[in-house]
Amino acid sequence: KAGVTQTPRYLIKTRGQQVTLSCSPISGHRSVSWYQQTPGQGLQFLFEYFSETQRNKGNFPGRFSGRQFSNSRSEMNVSTLELGDSALYLCASSFQGGRAEAFFGQGTRLTVV
Amino acid sequence: LAKTTQPISMDSYEGQEVNITCSHNNIATNDYITWYQQFPSQGPRFIIQGYKTKVTNEVASLFIPADRKSSTLSLPRVSLSDTAVYYCLVGDGGTGTASKLTFGTGTRLQVTL
Repeated sequence: KAGVTQTPRYLIKTRGQQVTLSCSPISGHRSVSWYQQTPGQGLQFLFEYFSETQRNKGNFPGRFSGRQFSNSRSEMNVSTLELGDSALYLCASSFQGGRAEAFFGQGTRLTVV
Repeated sequence: LAKTTQPISMDSYEGQEVNITCSHNNIATNDYITWYQQFPSQGPRFIIQGYKTKVTNEVASLFIPADRKSSTLSLPRVSLSDTAVYYCLVGDGGTGTASKLTFGTGTRLQVTL
Protein backbone atom coordinates (compact mmCIF):
# COMPACT_ATOMS: atom_id res chain seq x y z
CA LYS A 1 0.00 0.00 0.00
CA ALA A 2 1.09 3.58 -0.53
CA GLY A 3 3.15 5.19 2.21
CA VAL A 4 2.82 8.59 3.81
CA THR A 5 3.08 11.34 1.22
CA GLN A 6 4.25 14.83 2.04
CA THR A 7 4.17 17.76 -0.33
CA PRO A 8 6.08 19.71 -1.29
CA ARG A 9 9.44 18.06 -0.68
CA TYR A 10 11.37 21.32 -0.70
CA LEU A 11 10.30 24.87 -0.05
CA ILE A 12 12.05 28.22 0.19
CA LYS A 13 10.20 31.07 1.86
CA THR A 14 11.03 34.59 2.95
CA ARG A 15 10.93 35.68 6.55
CA GLY A 16 7.48 36.97 7.46
CA GLN A 17 5.64 34.85 4.92
CA GLN A 18 3.39 31.95 5.76
CA VAL A 19 3.56 28.37 4.51
CA THR A 20 1.24 25.38 4.31
CA LEU A 21 2.54 21.82 4.21
CA SER A 22 0.46 18.82 3.27
CA CYS A 23 0.43 15.23 4.46
CA SER A 24 -1.53 12.29 3.08
CA PRO A 25 -1.50 9.39 5.55
CA ILE A 26 -1.63 5.70 4.80
CA SER A 27 -5.13 4.63 3.84
CA GLY A 28 -7.10 3.68 6.92
CA HIS A 29 -4.89 5.57 9.34
CA ARG A 30 -6.74 8.13 11.41
CA SER A 31 -3.87 9.53 13.47
CA VAL A 32 -1.56 12.08 11.88
CA SER A 33 1.29 13.69 13.79
CA TRP A 34 3.71 16.42 12.81
CA TYR A 35 7.33 16.78 13.88
CA GLN A 36 10.04 19.38 13.36
CA GLN A 37 13.64 18.25 12.99
CA THR A 38 16.59 20.61 13.26
CA PRO A 39 20.29 19.92 13.87
CA GLY A 40 20.16 21.80 17.14
CA GLN A 41 16.90 20.59 18.68
CA GLY A 42 16.52 17.19 17.06
CA LEU A 43 13.09 15.71 16.48
CA GLN A 44 10.34 17.61 18.26
CA PHE A 45 6.64 16.85 18.39
CA LEU A 46 4.35 19.58 17.06
CA PHE A 47 0.83 18.15 17.27
CA GLU A 48 -1.35 15.16 16.54
CA TYR A 49 -4.73 14.95 14.88
CA PHE A 50 -7.15 12.07 15.17
CA SER A 51 -10.48 12.01 13.37
CA GLU A 52 -10.22 15.73 12.57
CA THR A 53 -9.56 16.72 16.20
CA GLN A 54 -6.30 17.91 17.67
CA ARG A 55 -5.56 15.37 20.36
CA ASN A 56 -2.14 16.46 21.55
CA LYS A 57 0.11 19.47 21.16
CA GLY A 58 3.79 20.12 21.69
CA ASN A 59 5.53 23.24 22.96
CA PHE A 60 5.49 25.39 19.88
CA PRO A 61 4.17 28.95 19.49
CA GLY A 62 0.73 29.65 18.10
CA ARG A 63 2.26 30.45 14.70
CA PHE A 64 2.27 26.72 14.15
CA SER A 65 -1.16 25.30 13.48
CA GLY A 66 -2.69 22.38 11.73
CA ARG A 67 -5.87 20.71 10.70
CA GLN A 68 -7.13 17.38 9.51
CA PHE A 69 -9.77 16.72 6.94
CA SER A 70 -12.46 14.06 6.88
CA ASN A 71 -10.29 11.88 4.61
CA SER A 72 -7.52 12.07 7.26
CA ARG A 73 -5.27 14.22 5.11
CA SER A 74 -3.61 16.87 7.20
CA GLU A 75 -2.11 20.30 6.66
CA MET A 76 0.30 22.23 8.78
CA ASN A 77 0.55 26.00 8.61
CA VAL A 78 3.30 28.27 9.87
CA SER A 79 2.60 31.97 9.85
CA THR A 80 5.03 34.85 10.07
CA LEU A 81 8.01 32.68 9.28
CA GLU A 82 11.26 33.17 11.16
CA LEU A 83 14.74 32.09 10.17
CA GLY A 84 14.65 29.55 12.98
CA ASP A 85 11.71 27.78 11.39
CA SER A 86 14.06 26.34 8.78
CA ALA A 87 13.83 22.62 9.34
CA LEU A 88 12.72 19.25 8.06
CA TYR A 89 9.02 18.86 8.82
CA LEU A 90 7.92 15.27 9.15
CA CYS A 91 4.47 13.82 9.17
CA ALA A 92 3.66 10.43 10.68
CA SER A 93 0.52 8.38 10.45
CA SER A 94 -0.68 5.45 12.49
CA PHE A 95 -3.87 3.48 12.74
CA GLN A 96 -4.86 4.67 16.18
CA GLY A 97 -2.01 6.69 17.69
CA GLY A 98 -0.63 5.77 21.07
CA ARG A 99 2.21 3.29 20.86
CA ALA A 100 1.04 1.92 17.52
CA GLU A 101 3.73 1.83 14.86
CA ALA A 102 4.08 5.25 13.28
CA PHE A 103 4.88 5.53 9.58
CA PHE A 104 6.77 8.64 8.59
CA GLY A 105 6.83 10.48 5.31
CA GLN A 106 10.04 11.72 3.73
CA GLY A 107 9.40 15.20 5.01
CA THR A 108 9.30 18.72 3.68
CA ARG A 109 12.55 20.64 3.82
CA LEU A 110 11.65 24.24 4.58
CA THR A 111 14.26 26.96 4.22
CA VAL A 112 13.46 30.46 5.43
CA VAL A 113 15.64 33.22 4.02
CA LEU B 1 7.50 10.38 29.87
CA ALA B 2 10.59 8.50 30.93
CA LYS B 3 13.87 10.07 29.83
CA THR B 4 16.21 7.90 27.81
CA THR B 5 19.99 7.89 27.57
CA GLN B 6 21.88 6.35 24.68
CA PRO B 7 25.47 6.52 23.46
CA ILE B 8 25.92 9.37 21.02
CA SER B 9 27.73 7.29 18.46
CA MET B 10 29.00 3.79 17.72
CA ASP B 11 31.26 2.32 15.05
CA SER B 12 31.13 -1.17 13.65
CA TYR B 13 32.55 -3.25 10.84
CA GLU B 14 30.31 -4.88 8.32
CA GLY B 15 29.23 -8.37 9.34
CA GLN B 16 29.48 -7.76 13.07
CA GLU B 17 26.65 -7.81 15.59
CA VAL B 18 25.86 -4.41 17.06
CA ASN B 19 24.24 -3.87 20.42
CA ILE B 20 22.92 -0.44 21.34
CA THR B 21 21.89 0.02 24.94
CA CYS B 22 19.35 2.53 26.15
CA SER B 23 18.93 3.54 29.77
CA HIS B 24 15.49 4.48 31.06
CA ASN B 25 15.64 4.43 34.85
CA ASN B 26 12.27 6.12 35.37
CA ILE B 27 10.27 3.82 33.13
CA ALA B 28 6.67 3.49 34.31
CA THR B 29 4.67 0.30 34.65
CA ASN B 30 2.62 0.96 31.53
CA ASP B 31 5.52 2.12 29.36
CA TYR B 32 6.60 0.28 26.24
CA ILE B 33 10.04 0.53 24.65
CA THR B 34 10.23 1.32 20.96
CA TRP B 35 13.17 1.75 18.58
CA TYR B 36 13.23 3.76 15.38
CA GLN B 37 15.88 4.06 12.67
CA GLN B 38 16.49 7.19 10.64
CA PHE B 39 18.56 7.71 7.51
CA PRO B 40 19.67 11.22 6.50
CA SER B 41 16.88 13.39 5.08
CA GLN B 42 14.28 10.69 5.64
CA GLY B 43 11.63 10.11 8.27
CA PRO B 44 12.26 7.62 11.08
CA ARG B 45 11.29 4.01 10.52
CA PHE B 46 9.87 1.71 13.19
CA ILE B 47 12.20 -1.18 14.02
CA ILE B 48 10.88 -3.01 17.03
CA GLN B 49 8.82 -2.61 20.20
CA GLY B 50 8.68 -4.54 23.44
CA TYR B 51 7.51 -4.52 27.04
CA LYS B 52 9.68 -7.13 28.75
CA THR B 53 12.06 -10.05 28.12
CA LYS B 54 12.97 -10.52 24.48
CA VAL B 55 11.34 -9.59 21.22
CA THR B 56 12.68 -10.60 17.82
CA ASN B 57 11.63 -9.73 14.31
CA GLU B 58 13.20 -10.07 10.88
CA VAL B 59 15.60 -7.16 11.36
CA ALA B 60 16.46 -6.92 15.06
CA SER B 61 16.10 -8.23 18.58
CA LEU B 62 15.18 -6.26 21.67
CA PHE B 63 16.37 -7.42 25.06
CA ILE B 64 14.69 -6.02 28.18
CA PRO B 65 15.86 -7.14 31.63
CA ALA B 66 13.43 -7.86 34.43
CA ASP B 67 13.78 -4.41 36.05
CA ARG B 68 13.13 -2.76 32.63
CA LYS B 69 15.47 0.12 33.48
CA SER B 70 17.41 -0.46 30.30
CA SER B 71 17.01 -2.16 26.96
CA THR B 72 19.35 -3.34 24.23
CA LEU B 73 18.71 -3.25 20.51
CA SER B 74 20.67 -5.98 18.76
CA LEU B 75 21.38 -5.80 15.03
CA PRO B 76 22.82 -9.07 13.70
CA ARG B 77 25.52 -8.92 11.02
CA VAL B 78 25.24 -5.25 10.10
CA SER B 79 25.88 -4.00 6.61
CA LEU B 80 26.83 -0.59 5.26
CA SER B 81 23.15 0.15 4.75
CA ASP B 82 22.58 -0.03 8.50
CA THR B 83 24.49 3.22 8.93
CA ALA B 84 21.85 5.46 10.48
CA VAL B 85 20.67 7.10 13.69
CA TYR B 86 18.84 4.81 16.10
CA TYR B 87 16.35 6.23 18.60
CA CYS B 88 15.08 4.60 21.77
CA LEU B 89 11.64 5.81 22.90
CA VAL B 90 9.74 5.01 26.06
CA GLY B 91 6.08 5.75 26.66
CA ASP B 92 2.74 4.15 27.43
CA GLY B 93 0.62 5.18 24.50
CA GLY B 94 -2.21 2.86 25.33
CA THR B 95 -4.93 2.09 22.82
CA GLY B 96 -6.82 5.20 21.89
CA THR B 97 -4.41 7.60 23.51
CA ALA B 98 -2.75 10.45 21.74
CA SER B 99 0.39 9.81 19.77
CA LYS B 100 3.37 11.86 20.90
CA LEU B 101 6.70 10.27 20.20
CA THR B 102 9.47 11.81 22.29
CA PHE B 103 12.80 11.39 20.54
CA GLY B 104 16.09 11.78 22.36
CA THR B 105 19.40 12.49 20.67
CA GLY B 106 19.71 8.96 19.32
CA THR B 107 22.78 6.86 18.56
CA ARG B 108 24.61 7.46 15.31
CA LEU B 109 25.83 4.08 14.03
CA GLN B 110 28.58 4.10 11.44
CA VAL B 111 29.28 0.82 9.65
CA THR B 112 32.44 0.47 7.60
CA LEU B 113 34.11 -2.26 5.57
